[in-house]
Amino acid sequence: GAVVSQHPSWVICKSGTSVKIECRSLDFQATTMFWYRQFPKQSLMLMATSNEGSKATYEQGVEKDKFLINHASLTLSTLTVTSAHPEDSSFYICSAPFRQAHNSPLHFGNGTRLTVT
Amino acid sequence: GIQVEQSPPDLILQEGANSTLRCNFSDSVNNLQWFHQNPWGQLINLFYIPSGTKQNGRLSATTVATERYSLLYISSSQTTDSGVYFCAVENAGKSTFGDGTTLTVKP
Repeated sequence: GAVVSQHPSWVICKSGTSVKIECRSLDFQATTMFWYRQFPKQSLMLMATSNEGSKATYEQGVEKDKFLINHASLTLSTLTVTSAHPEDSSFYICSAPFRQAHNSPLHFGNGTRLTVT
Repeated sequence: GIQVEQSPPDLILQEGANSTLRCNFSDSVNNLQWFHQNPWGQLINLFYIPSGTKQNGRLSATTVATERYSLLYISSSQTTDSGVYFCAVENAGKSTFGDGTTLTVKP
């Protein structure tokens, strides 16, 4: 079945540094991937839509210069949290649709728990 | 944007009991999925159910798209069913999650 791999699963970094998170579709191509953020005891909030070969589309209130998204190939999207601060500590999850037909379910990575100290 | 409401927000059951979780959405959707998020944050896909009824073991789900709601049924609950259950709907190319139902099953 379709698998989405996310790496790393957890990361601790110091305030002011940048962190890169990778999301890979392992056995299918994904022209579109989605990045979500989840704070403790809250729901998943869509941050941005990653588009292969073009700029990402960011949701309202998400700083595009802080959360850099690159979709360099049909199987890889990266999210870079630049100049991270403690308030960026969160659980970040990516997903990709596995399009065998017109509509298809989203497949999710296992998430990345970011802690900024 | 589309609104997704889940109820109840919290549910405590005794092992062996049955339960129904509800997901209401404010607009027509292309897709609807139910997920179980385990304590490590991993999202387990339970059902992809834009319409109709599906069953998988002790779990079943029904989506009535014309009335804009979906139900997740859990029968003979087990302690391992504990966790947060989310529904997510896709509309206009984006997926929106409800706030989830936190289920606690006591032995």
